Amino acid sequence: DVKVTQSSRYLVKRTGEKVFLECVQDMDHENMFWYRQDPGLGLRLIYFSYDVKMKEKGDIPEGYSVSREKKERFSLILESASTNQTSMYLCASSFVQYGYTFGSGTRLTVV
Amino acid sequence: GNSVTQMEGPVTLSEEAFLTINCTYTATGYPSLFWYVQYPGEGLQLLLKATKADDKGSNKGFEATYRKETTSFHLEKGSVQVSDSAVYFCALSADPGANAGKSTFGDGTTLTVKP
Repeated sequence: DVKVTQSSRYLVKRTGEKVFLECVQDMDHENMFWYRQDPGLGLRLIYFSYDVKMKEKGDIPEGYSVSREKKERFSLILESASTNQTSMYLCASSFVQYGYTFGSGTRLTVV
Repeated sequence: GNSVTQMEGPVTLSEEAFLTINCTYTATGYPSLFWYVQYPGEGLQLLLKATKADDKGSNKGFEATYRKETTSFHLEKGSVQVSDSAVYFCALSADPGANAGKSTFGDGTTLTVKP
């Protein structure tokens, strides 16, 4: 069964810490995405990547960066975590227009 | 730009009732259309899809038909179960040559099915 794996289901970090959220897919998909999901705000795209070492800003990239050194891995980096980055983070991958495969999500709390 | 408008929730139904969740879209070109489902504490799962006009996507008793003339992709199920309680998202994906086939999502509709 195809899979997108996010490294942590729950994470608690302190304000100002540098935080790494890891995502790995085993489907050889070119496209990978990071979203955050907040009550009442739906899914908001942070960054996406359509190839190794390529990245594009989504709708809310401020305070985040990404890394894609290998095709199967797409990392989201919070440079200096803040409380307003407390959220559910969802990683997804896709092949052209066949729809997304999502990971189970990482619920991040910044204290 | 592209947009997806979903029926506002929450929706509460009794078991075995008929379900419709409305979804309309605005897009240039010929998008693919999707429904995703999210169970509590989980990521989203692809429920069904349609890639061209008049296509019908179906899965687990759910159906949706791609209606280009009304720019709609309404989700239906003839008889819901308690286990269908979840949040449902309608989405579209632009042409693959643009923005990595990035999807645009609706806001989600929460469905609760009572025994």
